[in-house]
Amino acid sequence: DAGVIQSPRHEVTEMGQEVTLRCKPISGHDYLFWYRQTMMRGLELLIYFNNNVPIDDSGMPEDRFSAKMPNASFSTLKIQPSEPRDSAVYFCASSSGFRVFTDTQYFGPGTRLTVL
Amino acid sequence: AQSVTQPDIHITVSEGASLELRCNYSYGATPYLFWYVQSPGQGLQLLLKYFSGDTLVQGIKGFEAEFKRSQSSFNLRKPSVHWSDAAEYFCAVGAAQAGTALIFGKGTTLSVSS
Repeated sequence: DAGVIQSPRHEVTEMGQEVTLRCKPISGHDYLFWYRQTMMRGLELLIYFNNNVPIDDSGMPEDRFSAKMPNASFSTLKIQPSEPRDSAVYFCASSSGFRVFTDTQYFGPGTRLTVL
Repeated sequence: AQSVTQPDIHITVSEGASLELRCNYSYGATPYLFWYVQSPGQGLQLLLKYFSGDTLVQGIKGFEAEFKRSQSSFNLRKPSVHWSDAAEYFCAVGAAQAGTALIFGKGTTLSVSS
């Protein structure tokens, strides 16, 4: 398996623009997670899906952020409008379950977002 | 509140020297503890995990970690560091309950000098 695939790997945009990050999870994994990594706050869980359904979006910072999973092999995280404070590395991860000890999460390489 | 502290932001170790990365946690119940590694340009990879049993747990790539309940610590060690170990290392704590997320520390960056 190719692992979790994320695109783009790097994104530079200007404040106010819409940004869409993409993720393809590992085939057969029922859970998909979006994380954000910043120097100040470290790695934070934004939202996770089970069988394409959003289960917990309490980590999404504000309404400018939205995530979808139209099918089992694709998810997007959208920021509209983007702001400089959204600059971070965004990771997607997938797993076969959500018991952290038994269900290892496999992370993608991340998307480094810079908002000017 | 649950939290994970990695006191060292950046550590430099000579190749072949031993390594210890510190991790302290605050957790109300018996924690599940994890160490992840993030190599440059890569996602996080699980190195090892601990819940119960022997307090010294072995992981991949020659790493081990020791759980010390009295010190609320879960330090990562390696006897001899290789240049390829240069990466960022994250300690994390989690719960047994399904659907609860891991709480990650802010990471320690390891540099390896020749």
